[in-house]
Amino acid sequence: EAEVAQSPRYKITEKSQAVAFWCDPISGHATLYWYRQILGQGPELLVQFQDESVVDDSQLPKDRFSAERLKGVDSTLKIQPAELGDSAMYLCASSLVGVNTGELFFGEGSRLTVL
Amino acid sequence: GDSVTQMEGPVTLSEEAFLTINCTYTATGYPSLFWYVQYPGEGLQLLLKATKADDKGSNKGFEATYRKETTSFHLEKGSVQVSDSAVYFCALSVTGNQFYFGTGTSLTVIP
Repeated sequence: EAEVAQSPRYKITEKSQAVAFWCDPISGHATLYWYRQILGQGPELLVQFQDESVVDDSQLPKDRFSAERLKGVDSTLKIQPAELGDSAMYLCASSLVGVNTGELFFGEGSRLTVL
Repeated sequence: GDSVTQMEGPVTLSEEAFLTINCTYTATGYPSLFWYVQYPGEGLQLLLKATKADDKGSNKGFEATYRKETTSFHLEKGSVQVSDSAVYFCALSVTGNQFYFGTGTSLTVIP
């Protein structure tokens, strides 16, 4: 069964360091999302891509966060510099474009701990 | 704006007990409604969905009915099992492209 792949699963870093997360969506899924899930809360959208274009990055802290999906397939989310408040689970999800199935397919997430 | 409010947890039940997790929504249009489940150490996965008023979504013994008059989508299961222990998220989407999630309700089922 096709899955959304994410790496790394766990990342521990010190504040002010740079971190990067990678996501490979299900083949053929044009829409890709990055969510941040703080412990005890629901996922919050950081950025949404349609193919290689950013559709929504209104909640992305652009002073320190960046995201790209250069070829419209896999994507990288970067944080530089990391802050203590960035400790969270970073979830990647993908979905089919133009089909309102309503189903987001999530990866297992990347858990970030900033010390 | 669009949003979802779900009952706070954690919820602890004995095996075979009846489960209800409340979810209400606010939407500017006509949303589709979803329940996602997150098992320990895993990502979220779709549990069930309903796309219009009075629709009932069901899966794995769980059910939820889209109630437009009360703007609700409560999750129910008649007899929970230990394996149902997870965090449950209510969500909505008006456009089919943007999703709004509730804060999640943690369920623990004890034998």
